[in-house]
Amino acid sequence: GAGVSQSPSNKVTEKGKDVELRCDPISGHTALYWYRQRLGQGLEFLIYFQGNSAPDKSGLPSDRFSAERTGESVSTLTIQRTQQEDSAVYLCASSLAPSYEQYFGPGTRLTVT
Amino acid sequence: GENVEQHPSTLSVQEGDSAVIKCTYSDSASNYFPWYKQELGKGPQLIIDIRSNVGEKKDQRIAVTLNKTAKHFSLHITETQPEDSAVYFCAALGGGSYIPTFGRGTSLIVHP
Repeated sequence: GAGVSQSPSNKVTEKGKDVELRCDPISGHTALYWYRQRLGQGLEFLIYFQGNSAPDKSGLPSDRFSAERTGESVSTLTIQRTQQEDSAVYLCASSLAPSYEQYFGPGTRLTVT
Repeated sequence: GENVEQHPSTLSVQEGDSAVIKCTYSDSASNYFPWYKQELGKGPQLIIDIRSNVGEKKDQRIAVTLNKTAKHFSLHITETQPEDSAVYFCAALGGGSYIPTFGRGTSLIVHP
């Protein structure tokens, strides 16, 4: 079946611009996660959605970062006034709650110039 | 919160050799330990996982062992092949949290 998809695959933007990244989870998966992965680094948790519950935003690095999810479907991660340190791969994962297995998308590589 | 340490950061082996990657965790409430393989330019892919009620799990050439007393778990790959070359991440979660803590990754290089 279809896996997690993300778009765009690559995004180059100028410092100070806003960007929006999209994630389409596996159908039926109620949990959705966003992570940031800097070059050669591990996965940094950003935000977690579970069904209609309030999201866990404890990993968002600043108020320039926000995310939304419509029901149990698409999610968008928005970064306002991008900075060079925002350059990274942004990964989305979904899972069948309450199970813990996460399935990752291919990521969006964001480059801020 | 949980802290996961992963070693080594780089592992180079000859094809056919075994590879072992080790992780330690700090939160004794953690009860689920997945391992992910990430190939260049792709997202991580779950390859094997273990829950705290078992000590070992095998899937063909891959095995994971868990020592809850010592709070460490390991990934074992036997008869390595060049296509095993990738970055491997361990993670730990549980204790009521659905947010995993990841290790920093191990770059495995299998030389033909």
